[in-house]
Amino acid sequence: NAGVTQTPKFQVLKTGQSMTLQCAQDMNHNSMYWYRQDPGMGLRLIYYSASEGTTDKGEVPNGYNVSRLNKREFSLRLESAAPSQTSVYFCASSWKFGETQYFGPGTRLLVL
Amino acid sequence: TQLLEQSPQFLSIQEGENLTVYCNSSSVFSSLQWYRQEPGEGPVLLVTVVTGGEVKKLKRLTFQFGDARKDSSLHITAAQPGDTGLYLCAGRGIGANNLFFGTGTRLTVIP
Repeated sequence: NAGVTQTPKFQVLKTGQSMTLQCAQDMNHNSMYWYRQDPGMGLRLIYYSASEGTTDKGEVPNGYNVSRLNKREFSLRLESAAPSQTSVYFCASSWKFGETQYFGPGTRLLVL
Repeated sequence: TQLLEQSPQFLSIQEGENLTVYCNSSSVFSSLQWYRQEPGEGPVLLVTVVTGGEVKKLKRLTFQFGDARKDSSLHITAAQPGDTGLYLCAGRGIGANNLFFGTGTRLTVIP
């Protein structure tokens, strides 16, 4: 039982490049979330999926898109990366929307 | 955005000392959670408090939710090096399901 897994662990991009961050959970959770963590800012919600087949914007959605591929997987895409998107990205899941969230280990992204 | 300010931002203490970290907001929350995050890992939930004035204890950690449900504190007794980490509070707004995270307190306990 791996919990929440994220790939890749580290990534360096040039401005304008695109990439997709992958997240998978094996806890049969219905809800999944993407956060970014920046120094002095705490964790901020980018997008969430309350249940399979639905996605909604969080606090800071600009520059990102998401796909809830199936119940297990929730991906985050940066179409044209910008230096302001340099951050640590965390995926989380919960049994039901609003309940206790379990976090993955994070993806560290540097945009040059 | 419902801002949660944590203080202090950084705290370095000797093993065996006591400490308190604070989480404050001008907003009312239906519940508040505390997480600990270790380097290279995601946050892990420590506790959820729901009722104003509620106190919960987890071994040497004592969590309190303010009477008005706008603030919370975490007190650690006899800190140990294993307590080192980033402590995050997170509040859930009234009628909302999103969590709003605080800015974090980075604790270092020196052996």
